[in-house]
Amino acid sequence: SQQGEEDPQALSIQEGENATMNCSYKTSINNLQWYRQNSGRGLVHLILIRSNEREKHSGRLRVTLDTSKKSSSLLITASRAADTASYFCATEVPGTASKLTFGTGTRLQVTL
Amino acid sequence: SQTIHQWPATLVQPVGSPLSLECTVEGTSNPNLYWYRQAAGRGLQLLFYSVGIGQISSEVPQNLSASRPQDRQFILSSKKLLLSDSGFYLCALRQFETQYFGPGTRLLVL
Repeated sequence: SQQGEEDPQALSIQEGENATMNCSYKTSINNLQWYRQNSGRGLVHLILIRSNEREKHSGRLRVTLDTSKKSSSLLITASRAADTASYFCATEVPGTASKLTFGTGTRLQVTL
Repeated sequence: SQTIHQWPATLVQPVGSPLSLECTVEGTSNPNLYWYRQAAGRGLQLLFYSVGIGQISSEVPQNLSASRPQDRQFILSSKKLLLSDSGFYLCALRQFETQYFGPGTRLLVL
């Protein structure tokens, strides 16, 4: 089964609104990463948060990590139509040769 | 910065035919390289990874194989394709703690 599960599976919001996506995982991790995938394209790395960190910011992105609950959230503030994409969380588990395990993704649709 | 090339971008192949997908990277040396497959509307499944020339680790039993003949070249192959091999194949490299992905190859097996 997947290490990471995103919630919701799909999200539709209007431009200017905030979008929040959640990721839950099952085992201890070294870090958790968020990626974006535009339709039919490769994945783009957004942000990485290490297991000893609780929150990170990058531009309009805010990521939180709660290792006690084994969960993370990605917040996109002031969303734009260009943010329309699928968003995946990925976890790196200790002792796994730096392999990433991806969740199933959240499809975000931002409408004008 | 690193660049990842994958070709072809799209491929339509009949069942039972062979497959060779190539991934080459630039701007880095001795990277960890990865092959992933993404089924339609799904997450990524790690197929193979390589920590160096000639070193391949397989994640799931399947109809595919991988090779790394050169430091910056990673090849995904099959002798006989199955319908279930259809999908979007992505090559990635690891730099520091982050993986960077190529543009992908969309494979349709008919």
